[in-house]
Formats: sequence, C-alpha cells, structure tokens
Amino acid sequence: DTEVTQTPKHLVMGMTNKKSLKCEQHMGHRAMYWYKQKAKKPPELMFVYSYEKLSINESVPSRFSPECPNSSLLNLHLHALQPEDSALYLCASSRDSLSYGYTFGSGTRLTVV
Amino acid sequence: AQSVTQLGSHVSVSEGALVLLRCNYSSSVPPYLFWYVQYPNQGLQLLLKYTSAATLVKGINGFEAEFKKSETSFHLTKPSAHMSDAAEYFCAVSDPGGGADGLTFGKGTHLIIQP
Repeated sequence: DTEVTQTPKHLVMGMTNKKSLKCEQHMGHRAMYWYKQKAKKPPELMFVYSYEKLSINESVPSRFSPECPNSSLLNLHLHALQPEDSALYLCASSRDSLSYGYTFGSGTRLTVV
Repeated sequence: AQSVTQLGSHVSVSEGALVLLRCNYSSSVPPYLFWYVQYPNQGLQLLLKYTSAATLVKGINGFEAEFKKSETSFHLTKPSAHMSDAAEYFCAVSDPGGGADGLTFGKGTHLIIQP
C-alpha cells in the first residue's frame, strides 16, 4: 500500500459545526503533515507530527485541532470555522528522513458556509 | 530561511515542444529539492527529487531536472510536451539537516499545452 487516504473528499460545514478530517497511511511512515491550499496558491504547512508527537504548529488558529491517535492515522478537528478557511486540506506522510520525499493524499475540499 | 522562486506563473508550449520550468532556491546550505505536479482537484504527485546524489535527476513521465549549485537552480525539463502534461507544477525545498520540518513550496507554474 503506497497511498495516503483522505476522507471525506468534500465537506460543507456551517460556521457553528464541528467536523473532522481523516488521513490514513500504511507505509510505515513516522511523520505526517497537514497542509492548507487556497485556490491558485501553493500548499502551506499547518502541522507536523513526528512519531505521533506534534513537532510543528505553524501558528494555526485554535479552531483547527490536530490529533495523531497512532502511527497510521492523522485527524484534523474543525470547530467554529470561518468562510476564509474554505480550502483544499492536504495530508502527507514521509519516513523520518526527508530524503525520501512526501506522499500526498488527494485532499479534502472544505467549504465553510 | 529557505525559499524557492519559480519564474513564470504561466508557461505555454506547443505539443511536442520542449518544456522548461524554472526554479531557483535560496538556502545557506545545499538543500533537498523536489518537483511536484498537481492536476485539478487532486493532491500533489512527486515528479522527482534531488537529495545530494546525482545532480541530473530523472523522474516520472519523462521529466528530468538538473541541480546547479553555482546557479542555485533546479529547472525542470521534458523534451517533448504532451497534452496530459497540462497541470500546476510546484518546486519545493527542504532542510537537508534531517527532521520532519516540512516543505517550502514555490508559488507554482501553470503549464499550458497548445495543440
């Protein structure tokens, strides 16, 4: 299995809703990442988990809450989002060395209404 | 801090012509460099990567890139463009010092293939 699987593929949520994005990989990778990508822009790093511990939080608002329950699973919990949070949310994984590059999921297209 | 600059937000070539997408990096030490492709409404797919081994790197779909330290460049080329190459291309850089500290992406180049 050489894939990163993200669910759901599309999500529409209201500003008062609570929802979660899920990311799963079975490649034995020990680093997992969340990126946010706005239309026609490059991906921007949000969070990095290394060996199931949060190692980087790029000053992301607290309405985004990451969780790494085990080495194969990464969640992003969403609460009280704003319309400007609408974007493509990409999950990626890598071995603990960056020399192998990343494997990206196909993303969750989030729309906040 | 590391950064990459992609010259040209849009590049248009004819089918069968040479594809050249430019990427220059800024780093105090030679970094690791990557090219990714993104098709509409999809994630990013790794085309190729430079990790301090051979300076000429061959990737998937006929693409290759050459790391030139003297020019701080890592340009992406393909000898003959195909219609299926139309997509967004991102150059990215990472710290070779190790550790999972994420990638820094360039702004992207939209490749248009003219029939």
